[in-house]
Amino acid sequence: EAQVTQNPRYLITVTGKKLTVTCSQNMNHEYMSWYRQDPGLGLRQIYYSMNVEVTDKGDVPEGYKVSRKEKRNFPLILESPSPNQTSLYFCASDILGTTSTDTQYFGPGTRLTVL
Amino acid sequence: GENVEQHPSTLSVQEGDSAVIKCTYSDSASNYFPWYKQELGKGPQLIIDIRSNVGEKKDQRIAVTLNKTAKHFSLHITETQPEDSAVYFCAASMRAAGNKLTFGGGTRVLVKP
Repeated sequence: EAQVTQNPRYLITVTGKKLTVTCSQNMNHEYMSWYRQDPGLGLRQIYYSMNVEVTDKGDVPEGYKVSRKEKRNFPLILESPSPNQTSLYFCASDILGTTSTDTQYFGPGTRLTVL
Repeated sequence: GENVEQHPSTLSVQEGDSAVIKCTYSDSASNYFPWYKQELGKGPQLIIDIRSNVGEKKDQRIAVTLNKTAKHFSLHITETQPEDSAVYFCAASMRAAGNKLTFGGGTRVLVKP
């Protein structure tokens, strides 16, 4: 079954304590992306990756890091979380390009609370 | 960059009635317009999409229309059912430019039985 998995699904932490949210996909997709979802703002892209060792900033990258050492994994790292990073996070993957039947697949989400 | 606006932010309809959600986009180079449905506790799932070379697309009770000149596209759900209750997001993308999706703010749809 084609899927994107994220862990953990829920996380409560304190300001300044480094954390990592993992993301993995089993579809051999080149493109992977992280979004955060906040009420009324839709989903905003944090970082994306077009292949192994190729990453770039999205619209709201401040306070986040990513890495892409393997094609299937794309972890999101918060080195020093702050309360304004409390949000619902989604990882997504996609075929890179313009084929007519592809779409972006989303993980189930990680709800993060930073106290 | 691209900017997508979505209206309304909430929509309440009676079961069996139709629901319409509208989105406008700013970048005329966008050529791919997906709609996602997000149920409680889940990630967004694609329900229908349209590309810029098509004006309308239908899949059972859902349809999407695209007006490239006016830069807006709409989702139409007919004969609504309680299981249609969810948050719906529109998005726009230039699929030749790295797959970046720009999302609208979302519409919370409630179908009352």
